[in-house]
Amino acid sequence: SQQGEEDPQALSIQEGENATMNCSYKTSINNLQWYRQNSGRGLVHLILIRSNEREKHSGRLRVTLDTSKKSSSLLITASRAADTASYFCATETTSGTYKYIFGTGTRLKVLA
Amino acid sequence: DVKVTQSSRYLVKRTGEKVFLECVQDMDHENMFWYRQDPGLGLRLIYFSYDVKMKEKGDIPEGYSVSREKKERFSLILESASTNQTSMYLCASSLTYGYTFGSGTRLTVV
Repeated sequence: SQQGEEDPQALSIQEGENATMNCSYKTSINNLQWYRQNSGRGLVHLILIRSNEREKHSGRLRVTLDTSKKSSSLLITASRAADTASYFCATETTSGTYKYIFGTGTRLKVLA
Repeated sequence: DVKVTQSSRYLVKRTGEKVFLECVQDMDHENMFWYRQDPGLGLRLIYFSYDVKMKEKGDIPEGYSVSREKKERFSLILESASTNQTSMYLCASSLTYGYTFGSGTRLTVV
């Protein structure tokens, strides 16, 4: 079952610009995470935001969560070529199961 | 750093073969997961396990089974490989929230 849908599916920006990607989900969540995947590799955990949080920061990453709209956004500021990757949101729908449903991802390309 | 190691990066198998995909983690994580990743479909959960000898079906368990005889090892078994099981297989482990993924195994069934 697909829970999260990322938007846009693909994004191309210049180095130094900000990149924003969005995730919408269907059912109530306990928490939401964002992951990065470099081409052909495994995913790397970036940040977790709980359902009672509205915003969270980690370095150049800013995540927001709007549970009323069932959506989250990931902002990467001052992007670098090394940020080129696919980004996925993942939601835990049942608290404490540690079982996540992943979206289909946003492919980000940062041009040098 | 937690490491999740998947035994093969690339694998080519024939239709009907029994295929074993191995996953080992080195940080004493209770939870382990197998996903497959296909273009346009994202990651889909096949099986997961919260403890040794324990397994639970995910969203797409048909055609797969798993084995967890030791805490650190979680194996995915394709009982009789079919071409529609050609995919990228990703193993992950976690203590609570936040998965650590392996590098993935790209399986092609011919």
